[in-house]
This record gives sequence, structure tokens and C-alpha cells, in this order.
Amino acid sequence: GAGVSQTPSNKVTEKGKYVELRCDPISGHTALYWYRQSLGQGPEFLIYFQGTGAADDSGLPNDRFFAVRPEGSVSTLKIQRTERGDSAVYLCASSWGRPRDTDTQYFGPGTRLTVL
Amino acid sequence: TQLLEQSPQFLSIQEGENLTVYCNSSSVFSSLQWYRQEPGEGPVLLVTVVTGGEVKKLKRLTFQFGDARKDSSLHITAAQPGDTGLYLCAADQGGKLIFGQGTELSVKP
Repeated sequence: GAGVSQTPSNKVTEKGKYVELRCDPISGHTALYWYRQSLGQGPEFLIYFQGTGAADDSGLPNDRFFAVRPEGSVSTLKIQRTERGDSAVYLCASSWGRPRDTDTQYFGPGTRLTVL
Repeated sequence: TQLLEQSPQFLSIQEGENLTVYCNSSSVFSSLQWYRQEPGEGPVLLVTVVTGGEVKKLKRLTFQFGDARKDSSLHITAAQPGDTGLYLCAADQGGKLIFGQGTELSVKP
């Protein structure tokens, strides 16, 4: 079956521009997660949706970052006024959502964002 | 300060050698997970360890959870070039995963 897909696979933008990154979760998964991975590091949590609502957005670094999931399926991560430090691979994952202790997150291949 | 400290950060070995990767913390966890990530791909779950002292085997990979549930190790026997990748440990903190910084393993034929 289809896994988590992310588009685009690569995005190059200029400092100060706005970007949108899209995530299509596995069909039926109610939970969706965004992570950011810098070179040589493990993924860093950004935000987690349960259905349409953000259950935990404590990892968003500042108010330039925003994510939505209006219909409880596809999610978009939006970054305003991009900075060079935003360059990273942005990973999306999805899961069934419960029961929590046996819930496995399935990751997409990521979007590599480069801010020049 | 990382919640999960992995060591070593880099490991380059010859095919057939054994190796161990460590994941340590000062915190107690209800479970720890191990992932493998290949270039251009997202992490893939290998195993979840739940009980202190637990040992799980996945072919040539052996995972152990410390008795105090603060640390874990991954041992690979007779490594093969196909084992090359980034190995990550992670803890579930209320839904979000907190990852270690990873161990980059390179197995040369």
C-alpha cells in the first residue's frame, strides 16, 4: 500500500521567501507529525496533529512556522520569511493515533529545504 | 543537552566485524525505540523495547534495554554492507518522538 508521501522532494528558495511543504499521510491514520532534521543530527519534533487539531506544537521554533491539517488528512507546513538556518530535511510521519503505547509512526522520505 | 546521547557518532568497519551502539540518558523511559535511516529516506522502526533488562533479536541485530530503563544498546553481529545507515534511538514523550543524534555506520566490503 501507499506510504507517507511528501512534496516537493527538494525545495530551493531565497532568504525571506515563503514556502509550503505538503504531507500526504497513510490513509486512515488520524495522527500526523512534523519533524526537522539537520545534517548529522537526529530528527527534531515540530508539531503533532490528532485529527484536524494540533495536539502539541511545542516544537515549532518561532511564529514564522505554522502547520495546518484542515480535513484531518493532508497537512501543510508553512514557513514565512525563510532564513538560512531553516535549511534542513523536513520529515512527516503518520500513525493510527492509539493506543499510544503501541502506536508506530511511519515516516515519509522528507522534503529537503535549502534557503540561499 | 541531549535527552538521549548516542555513541559513537560515527563508525566505519569492515564486513564481518561486530559492533555495538549505545543510547544513554539520565531519564527513565517506559520504552525506547530503535530506527534505521538510509540516505534520502525517513527513519524506519526496527524495534521497541519496553521491559527493563529486555533483550530482543532481529536476525543479526540484538537490542537490549537497561535494567533501570535509562539506556539501551544495539549489537550487530557479522556486519554486512547492507547494514550501512544512520541508527537512531528515540523515546516517545506523549506522542512526540525525541531522538538521539544518531550513529552513522559504514560497513565496507
